[in-house]
Amino acid sequence: SYELTQPPSVSVSPGQTASITCSGDKLGDKYACWYQQKPGQSPMLVIYQDNKRPSGIPERFSGSNSGNTATLTISGTQAMDEADYYCQAWDSSTVVFGGGTKLTVL
Amino acid sequence: QVQLVQSGAEVKKPGASVKVSCKASGYTFTGYYVHWVRQAPGQGLEWMGWIIPNSGGTNYAQKFQGWVTMTRDTSISTAYMELSRLRSDDTAVYYCAREDLAVRGARHYYYGMDVWGQGTTVTVSS
Repeated sequence: SYELTQPPSVSVSPGQTASITCSGDKLGDKYACWYQQKPGQSPMLVIYQDNKRPSGIPERFSGSNSGNTATLTISGTQAMDEADYYCQAWDSSTVVFGGGTKLTVL
Repeated sequence: QVQLVQSGAEVKKPGASVKVSCKASGYTFTGYYVHWVRQAPGQGLEWMGWIIPNSGGTNYAQKFQGWVTMTRDTSISTAYMELSRLRSDDTAVYYCAREDLAVRGARHYYYGMDVWGQGTTVTVSS
């Protein structure tokens, strides 16, 4: 079955750029999505179709996807961005989530 | 506004079944896929399957085949997820989420799970 791999944790200083990767076989041939989840809350879509932002998502969130790796980039990271982030893709008719990355802003 | 409202928390004994509902409002229920995703305590997101409300077509993750049933009632814009033969490791928060898909030629366009329910906590304990 298809697998997506994320680093368990990423740390960033406020105002700096955070990058979270998601790896999977030929992931660049699929669309990648990213979700943000804060403690006790439902996940929230922040990027779809590799690099599109839903309405209401700040411009500091961006995405890319090529080869075997999709990347979520948060520019000018703020304390409010501290959360768990999950990548997701479709493989044939099924959906796969990455294991999640805890972003710490310190 | 567009929302998915799920049924309340459940406590079940091992071997029992649970049925969680997900009521859609603010949009055309039959126009979007509905996914079910669960999250065990302290763990990541696990996709369980989807249902197409228009046709009732389903696709389940291999892990859940023969064990989960997803249905819908279009007259009340509600999707259901029933999990049988519960075990203690089925203790989790269960979410429903909608997704728009489009097919143009040979290409599928996925728009991400843009609306999520509030989650339903299912606790399995003897």
